[in-house]
Amino acid sequence: EAEVAQSPRYKITEKSQAVAFWCDPISGHATLYWYRQILGQGPELLVQFQDESVVDDSQLPKDRFSAERLKGVDSTLKIQPAELGDSAMYLCASSFGVRQRLYFGPGTRLTVT
Amino acid sequence: EDKVVQSPLSLVVHEGDTVTLNCSYEVTNFRSLLWYKQEKKAPTFLFMLTSSGIEKKSGRLSSILDKKELFSILNITATQTGDSAVYLCAVAQEYGNKLVFGAGTILRVKS
Repeated sequence: EAEVAQSPRYKITEKSQAVAFWCDPISGHATLYWYRQILGQGPELLVQFQDESVVDDSQLPKDRFSAERLKGVDSTLKIQPAELGDSAMYLCASSFGVRQRLYFGPGTRLTVT
Repeated sequence: EDKVVQSPLSLVVHEGDTVTLNCSYEVTNFRSLLWYKQEKKAPTFLFMLTSSGIEKKSGRLSSILDKKELFSILNITATQTGDSAVYLCAVAQEYGNKLVFGAGTILRVKS
């Protein structure tokens, strides 16, 4: 079965540094999601793309987080500057359409020191 | 505010036991409820429920939805150590496919 790819799998960075995560969805999936999962909590949606357009970024801390999906395929999530509270698992997911099941990638575990 | 509440937060059982995990929700524009299993990595899909009273079954796992009382249960019979994981409940909303997740139930099955 095709999978969502993410890199890196683990990232340790110092606070105030910039960090970026990459996601490649399943081929043909038009909808892409970035979720953040803090330890002990369920995932929380940060941003949702339909092709290259943002359809929901209401929970994205826009002063430090940015996300793009320029060609409507892969996507990058950036944090600048990173803060201690950003330590979490960042999950990318994709779906064929807005009413379809989500497939999650393996996640990027970020530790900010 | 949309919310999904799971209970218990954690439980420990012995192999062969049967467990029931609970999920209640208050979410606007409900479309479906999903269960995921998470083992130190990305969540893997278990079930999607859209209609009340229809049980979904996969091996030893089964789930049912009650849209009137706004809850769902996930049953695992004859538990095995490989069932140890966090079980996440999520509700998909009608517009945009956003998933609202609960905090999860941590299940540990002892041999």
